[in-house]
Amino acid sequence: RKEVEQDPGPFNVPEGATVAFNCTYSNSASQSFFWYRQDCRKEPKLLMSVYSSGNEDGRFTAQLNRASQYISLLIRDSKLSDSATYLCVVTNTGGFKTIFGAGTRLFVKA
Amino acid sequence: SAVISQKPSRDICQRGTSLTIQCQVDSQVTMMFWYRQQPGQSLTLIATANQGSEATYESGFVIDKFPISRPNLTFSTLTVSNMSPEDSSIYLCSVDGVSGPYEQYFGPGTRLTVT
Repeated sequence: RKEVEQDPGPFNVPEGATVAFNCTYSNSASQSFFWYRQDCRKEPKLLMSVYSSGNEDGRFTAQLNRASQYISLLIRDSKLSDSATYLCVVTNTGGFKTIFGAGTRLFVKA
Repeated sequence: SAVISQKPSRDICQRGTSLTIQCQVDSQVTMMFWYRQQPGQSLTLIATANQGSEATYESGFVIDKFPISRPNLTFSTLTVSNMSPEDSSIYLCSVDGVSGPYEQYFGPGTRLTVT
């Protein structure tokens, strides 16, 4: 089993749609969680950290469920510019190891 | 955030040769990392570059193949030695701790093609 698993993609959605990405992690000792965005042929960029209480940044909402070892990212009112690969990232503080999920590709179409 | 630059941005190399990639950060950082991203794949951590000590390598990566230097808190190099076509990949450096803990910021990457 992979340490971080994401929904297989790609997701093809129309502009204005709401889309949700899911991610599970296997190490219960994991402590820090993030969503990164990677545009084609570009480096990954931090989108948002994920907290136990959940957090929201504009159209983006991230949730963490430690009991289920599950992380989600919700994008509301999708824009064409949201088209990218979204990477779920988990950091295990024992030895400080950051693990990237395989990513989920999102295509938003007009 | 941090401003991170990498040199070269891309290169085409012959098998058997070596390439050294440079990573420069605009502020002092404790942790610097080197990743590899093969076509269509996610990122794989190669090693953590430690200032003043040997780099810490992940399983499957060895110092002889990927020697790393970290002479100060703003700079690191990764060398890909005795290259083969399987080394064709994007190599990225990253730093963390600039804003929140464990939040990593990446350089633009070096696209390496080995022929």
